[in-house]
Amino acid sequence: AQKITQTQPGMFVQEKEAVTLDCTYDTSDPSYGLFWYKQPSSGEMIFLIYQGSYDQQNATEGRYSLNFQKARKSANLVISASQLGDSAMYFCAMSPSGGYQKVTFGTGTKLQVIP
Amino acid sequence: GAVVSQHPSRVICKSGTSVKIECRSLDFQATTMFWYRQFPKQSLMLMATSNEGSKATYEQGVEKDKFLINHASLTLSTLTVTSAHPEDSSFYICSARRTLSNQPQHFGDGTRLSIL
Repeated sequence: AQKITQTQPGMFVQEKEAVTLDCTYDTSDPSYGLFWYKQPSSGEMIFLIYQGSYDQQNATEGRYSLNFQKARKSANLVISASQLGDSAMYFCAMSPSGGYQKVTFGTGTKLQVIP
Repeated sequence: GAVVSQHPSRVICKSGTSVKIECRSLDFQATTMFWYRQFPKQSLMLMATSNEGSKATYEQGVEKDKFLINHASLTLSTLTVTSAHPEDSSFYICSARRTLSNQPQHFGDGTRLSIL
């Protein structure tokens, strides 16, 4: 079984500052993928970044980077230079590797960017 | 652009009505699609895994006869909420994944269902 834990129900960050959203996970699968999604108030789920469990380097996508610490089972999302449009719910998720494995989501963190 | 299309985006209907929601993968074949339900301020709850050419796999506690899933082709899955009641009001969202497992799920824009 897989479990994702996001301990921050809500976060505030000043515009142009960086923010870290926490995510820890638990799994018995030897190989897995970790994902972050953004959900604005309109409801759509927007894929942000992916990290494979055997990837040597931490994933980066523009202003998003994933601080992957395998031994600690953490996959924190770092957003640099926050923008007002970053205000949204952020979900951490994971899936075993191989095939059409279903994805397990965390409870989410609501990020609000302050002007 | 969007790779998964979900329709309709919003439905308001009377209690007892059956409602069909479509999920299409636009530029890839998806033998597997997923249906989620999301209550306000909560995370996504997987309802079922839709498999092309075979029966859907439902999560524990999800009524198969209530939420009918049909995966008619490699690009289309439908969720029908039968005889909907106010407690079925929710945000329903589908996703599809490309063949390679390191690819993320791509989500539709969701359907906000309101049963009066």
